[in-house]
Amino acid sequence: EAGVAQSPRYKIIEKRQSVAFWCNPISGHATLYWYQQILGQGPKLLIQFQNNGVVDDSQLPKDRFSAERLKGVDSTLKIQPAKLEDSAVYLCASSLEGTANQPQHFGDGTRLSIL
Amino acid sequence: DAKTTQPPSMDCAEGRAANLPCNHSTISGNEYVYWYRQIHSQGPQYIIHGLKNNETNEMASLIITEDRKSSTLILPHATLRDTAVYYCIVRFLIYNQGGKLIFGQGTELSVKP
Repeated sequence: EAGVAQSPRYKIIEKRQSVAFWCNPISGHATLYWYQQILGQGPKLLIQFQNNGVVDDSQLPKDRFSAERLKGVDSTLKIQPAKLEDSAVYLCASSLEGTANQPQHFGDGTRLSIL
Repeated sequence: DAKTTQPPSMDCAEGRAANLPCNHSTISGNEYVYWYRQIHSQGPQYIIHGLKNNETNEMASLIITEDRKSSTLILPHATLRDTAVYYCIVRFLIYNQGGKLIFGQGTELSVKP
């Protein structure tokens, strides 16, 4: 079974620029998550989708971050404009359902560096 | 905030069993215990999860105490490739919140030759 695919693997931009990340979940997985992992910390949930609807975006900085999952499969996460504190690894995960008995499976993330 | 407490680091000799403890004294009756690990420059990898009973799969065993306030992840024969940060996570059961994994600092396991 193919895992969660993310691209790009690395991205370097200057502050105030915009950037987008792409995620393709495991086939058949209805639930998709975006996490932010700052160096030295554990991942933190930014947003959760169930099919193409948002379940939880309480930790998403909505003034600069946006995410969509238009057809209930692939998803994109955008930052505009980027700040220095956005330097982090952005991880995508998926699960069959959003229930607590279904494990989430993670991609290897996009490492974002802001200059 | 994370609902678990783990030692920040542990060492284990290659070929020996690695026993990673986790304290979750405030766990509720329907909350699952999950274990993930993260090898440098990779995303977290799912290992195992359980509710009340002990669980075993091809990667590890999970031992949950009868009062559910603590658990131990056991890697039966640790190899150098098991060197990673191991996260113990208590996961909510409520449907709309069931997806949220709240990661703590984890345990950095070093497997030494």
